[in-house]
Amino acid sequence: TQLLEQSPQFLSIQEGENLTVYCNSSSVFSSLQWYRQEPGEGPVLLVTVVTGGEVKKLKRLTFQFGDARKDSSLHITAAQPGDTGLYLCAGNNNAGNMLTFGGGTRLMVKP
Amino acid sequence: DAGITQSPRHKVTETGTPVTLRCHQTENHRYMYWYRQDPGHGLRLIHYSYGVKDTDKGEVSDGYSVSRSKTEDFLLTLESATSSQTSVYFCAISPRLAGRTDTQYFGPGTRLTVL
Repeated sequence: TQLLEQSPQFLSIQEGENLTVYCNSSSVFSSLQWYRQEPGEGPVLLVTVVTGGEVKKLKRLTFQFGDARKDSSLHITAAQPGDTGLYLCAGNNNAGNMLTFGGGTRLMVKP
Repeated sequence: DAGITQSPRHKVTETGTPVTLRCHQTENHRYMYWYRQDPGHGLRLIHYSYGVKDTDKGEVSDGYSVSRSKTEDFLLTLESATSSQTSVYFCAISPRLAGRTDTQYFGPGTRLTVL
């Protein structure tokens, strides 16, 4: 079974601060995705990273895939209250037919 | 937003009763999935389907069965609900296009409480 561990589990910060969320595994994934989930809704895909060492930027969010494709990070610059939510990483197995989800990081950004 | 609906959105039932959750899509996607979400566990795959009448087990399939008689509908059944099956259940769909990384689109979820 491929496992993904996210850290931290909870993060409460002030508006304007920077933060980094980590997603680690001992397994190699063919690709890794980050989702954001708001209360009462399903997860929504933010980004997919495929190549080891890949960096993708989505406005104030920067996603990085580790060189060995076992880990990933999400960095948010100048966090805003609208960034509040549950952030989930998910790894795609080499067969490409199943996603393994991490336990999630619950972020709260206070005004 | 992908056209995915789940019904019911909330349900309270008693231990030992059968429960069926429905997922309906209007995207004609081939793959459909059922997950459960519990605090600290993220999303765990229960069953998935790769076509009409084609299904397979996921990580936590014990106590659950599924059926897919039409492309657009994927049903999850708890034959005899237990308190450990209290959870939020999410359906997801995916086109699984050849040569492209899979992207799953999630429904709004069903909150199930088993007393």
